[in-house]
Amino acid sequence: ETGVTQTPRHLVMGMTNKKSLKCEQHLGHNAMYWYKQSAKKPLELMFVYSLEERVENNSVPSRFSPECPNSSHLFLHLHTLQPEDSALYLCASSQGQTTNEKLFFGSGTQLSVL
Amino acid sequence: GENVEQHPSTLSVQEGDSAVIKCTYSDSASNYFPWYKQELGKGPQLIIDIRSNVGEKKDQRIAVTLNKTAKHFSLHITETQPEDSAVYFCALSSDRGSTLGRLYFGRGTQLTVWP
Repeated sequence: ETGVTQTPRHLVMGMTNKKSLKCEQHLGHNAMYWYKQSAKKPLELMFVYSLEERVENNSVPSRFSPECPNSSHLFLHLHTLQPEDSALYLCASSQGQTTNEKLFFGSGTQLSVL
Repeated sequence: GENVEQHPSTLSVQEGDSAVIKCTYSDSASNYFPWYKQELGKGPQLIIDIRSNVGEKKDQRIAVTLNKTAKHFSLHITETQPEDSAVYFCALSSDRGSTLGRLYFGRGTQLTVWP
């Protein structure tokens, strides 16, 4: 619907597991983002990629590792997460030309860390 | 980062009534103000946005007003319908020292429209 597709929609993992979240955009955009949405907190920007280069790492713990192999795909690799990392992880994309442009979000991956 | 205060956190209205959500901010350099609607099980979707050189923008039943002097902006929904029920987020960004795609979000307003 929005042109940004995220998989899986739901993920349950233990603290010792390794998993990956995937995002794909079909909008021809040059910038992609990971946002974190926790209950009762504002959405938080985690990572920014522009033309496949990481331009922002917003003080995110190293247990979150992003990867952007091309301008249409974005991954978030997860390892040794903590229960407090349980949240909705949202991928977004934009044209990537200015700081004030429209973001298009995917439906998110609801992550539960046990 | 910028602090965006959004009120109310919950809002219940009767179908056909109007709904107003307000956000306040502190950084006078803020110049882009989008509003997002998030339905259950979906990501936030942009419904309307306004830039600082405009005081008001309208799109059918939805309007946004901006008061730069007072540093607040509001979402107005008229003739509400049950399908307007969702969580609404205000957000903002600025050009000054800003990162691509960095939006500062409010905490959201759960709007419920009763038939």
